[in-house]
Amino acid sequence: NAGVTQTPKFQVLKTGQSMTLQCAQDMNHNSMYWYRQDPGMGLRLIYYSASEGTTDKGEVPNGYNVSRLNKREFSLRLESAAPSQTSVYFCASNRQGVGEQYFGPGTRLTVT
Amino acid sequence: DQQVKQNSPSLSVQEGRISILNCDYTNSMFDYFLWYKKYPAEGPTFLISISSIKDKNEDGRFTVFLNKSAKHLSLHIVPSQPGDSAVYFCAATLLNAGGTSYGKLTFGQGTILTVHP
Repeated sequence: NAGVTQTPKFQVLKTGQSMTLQCAQDMNHNSMYWYRQDPGMGLRLIYYSASEGTTDKGEVPNGYNVSRLNKREFSLRLESAAPSQTSVYFCASNRQGVGEQYFGPGTRLTVT
Repeated sequence: DQQVKQNSPSLSVQEGRISILNCDYTNSMFDYFLWYKKYPAEGPTFLISISSIKDKNEDGRFTVFLNKSAKHLSLHIVPSQPGDSAVYFCAATLLNAGGTSYGKLTFGQGTILTVHP
């Protein structure tokens, strides 16, 4: 079991470029989440998918889009990157009825 | 509006002593509380949790206490070990309307714990 995997691990973008962060889980979990972590801010929810076929906005969705490709995969897209999106991005998943979420190793994104 | 707050950015403790990490919340609807541990360059890992119907949960060296009237929870680590040095996040969530599943987590800002040998 790999758990939750994320690609890439690191990325540097120029302002205005686009990219997609990939996330996959092999735990047969229903729900998946994208968070960003900034210094002094904890982790903030960007988007989540309670089940395959559904997505909802979290606390900080502006500038992002998501796709729940299938039960395993949940991607996060930045259409036009801005320096304010410099952050560490974490994907997480959990199964229905359970509060604990399991996190991937993160993607460190820098936008210059 | 920060619904979950960890007011101590850092804590330094001697090996073998007790570490106490604190967390306050404002939303009385939260049903379930969790503590995560995070090492540098890794994702957060689940440590321990507590339901709002309990006031204490123990797992080995880790104990979480919940005081609902004060909207306060704490994590006790006894005895502390150098390998416990990490960032600790508390988080909270609530059941959906049907009472069948938990939703998104709301995190505190984190506390950096350093355990000195």
